[in-house]
Amino acid sequence: DIQLTQSPSFLSASVGDRVTITCRASQGISSYLAWYQQKPGKAPKLLIYAASTLQSGVPSRFSGSGSGTEFTLTISSLQPEDFATYYCQQVNSYPFTFGPGTKVDIK
Amino acid sequence: QVQLVQSGSELRKPGASVKVSCKASGYTFISFAMHWVRQAPGQGLEWMGWINTNTGNPTYAQGFTGRFVFSLDTSVNTAYLQISSLKAEDTAVYYCARAMGAITRLDYWGQGTLVTVSS
Repeated sequence: DIQLTQSPSFLSASVGDRVTITCRASQGISSYLAWYQQKPGKAPKLLIYAASTLQSGVPSRFSGSGSGTEFTLTISSLQPEDFATYYCQQVNSYPFTFGPGTKVDIK
Repeated sequence: QVQLVQSGSELRKPGASVKVSCKASGYTFISFAMHWVRQAPGQGLEWMGWINTNTGNPTYAQGFTGRFVFSLDTSVNTAYLQISSLKAEDTAVYYCARAMGAITRLDYWGQGTLVTVSS
């Protein structure tokens, strides 16, 4: 199985900050990676797919990059509604594993 | 608009069974696969597997074979997750999610169903 790690696990930031979250895969997955945002008590929301394609309706302050084994999710200017937990998911091969998550909290 | 509406919370005793439903609307049900994801209390997301809504063929992640069954009723655009021989560690929120694209992404999610297993 492909393992995903995320760093950091927890991030404290202020409104307006630039935030970067890294997701690393245990083996190459080309661009078969998605990013999701989850707020407490809510279902996850798709932000980015195919490593760098912004899902329709998602603000342009979110961006994704990377291929192979290292990927990043960047929020260019953190907004109050962005405080949440972020998960990466590889869709290269079964099982479609999720990363452990990165919680973004208010500084 | 696309919607996935799941059945309500369930409380079961260990050893019992539960069936969670996920009713789709706003799109052609058999054109998009349905995935299932588990989230234990305070934990991350765990991919359980998916079902081909056109053929009914399921694929299960390791750890979700045997007691977990994905099924469909295409006449009512509904996917089901049945869990048998429930254990306390099955206590979790279970999500259905529509999958699309040559590069799979889960673009619409149900609201989640909390299954609590307790004696």
